[in-house]
Amino acid sequence: DAGVIQSPRHEVTEMGQEVTLRCKPISGHDYLFWYRQTMMRGLELLIYFNNNVPIDDSGMPEDRFSAKMPNASFSTLKIQPSEPRDSAVYFCASSFTIQPSYEQYFGPGTRLTVT
Amino acid sequence: GDSVTQMEGPVTLSEEAFLTINCTYTATGYPSLFWYVQYPGEGLQLLLKATKADDKGSNKGFEATYRKETTSFHLEKGSVQVSDSAVYFCALSVPGSGNTGKLIFGQGTTLQVKP
Repeated sequence: DAGVIQSPRHEVTEMGQEVTLRCKPISGHDYLFWYRQTMMRGLELLIYFNNNVPIDDSGMPEDRFSAKMPNASFSTLKIQPSEPRDSAVYFCASSFTIQPSYEQYFGPGTRLTVT
Repeated sequence: GDSVTQMEGPVTLSEEAFLTINCTYTATGYPSLFWYVQYPGEGLQLLLKATKADDKGSNKGFEATYRKETTSFHLEKGSVQVSDSAVYFCALSVPGSGNTGKLIFGQGTTLQVKP
């Protein structure tokens, strides 16, 4: 299995531009999570999906952020318009409910820099 | 609510020293407990886990025992190496609770091992 795949690995954009981050979870996993990691705030859960349905988006910082999961093998996190304070590493993770412990498998992350 | 508390870092050790990173938790149900490790520039990786009281998780020389009486899951290693330098996250999941599917993470502890 290729693991969780994220693209792009690095993104540099100017303030005000739209940014789209992509994630392909591990095949068969029915939970998908988006996290943000910064030095100041640490690891934050933004939103998570179960069977492609958003379950909890309370961590999404504001309306500029949106996430979709149109099918079981693909999810996007969009920031529009982007701001310098959105600069962070964004991780996608997936897990499946057959196991009793809900361990998550993380992707390599997308490092976003907004100038 | 469910929560995880880790000792603050950074922890700086010499090679071959003994490592302990403390982790305590609060949970409404019967949690599974995890240690994740994040090497520089990478995503989080599952290091070890324990799913019930008195279980011991182990991997790569690291160990942690699920102590229900003290609500703890301390990470230990008898002899650290420079390659163990990373950020370590303690986490829990409580299937069947309002947090079903989620991992609750501690704030992370940075370990620096000097040769």
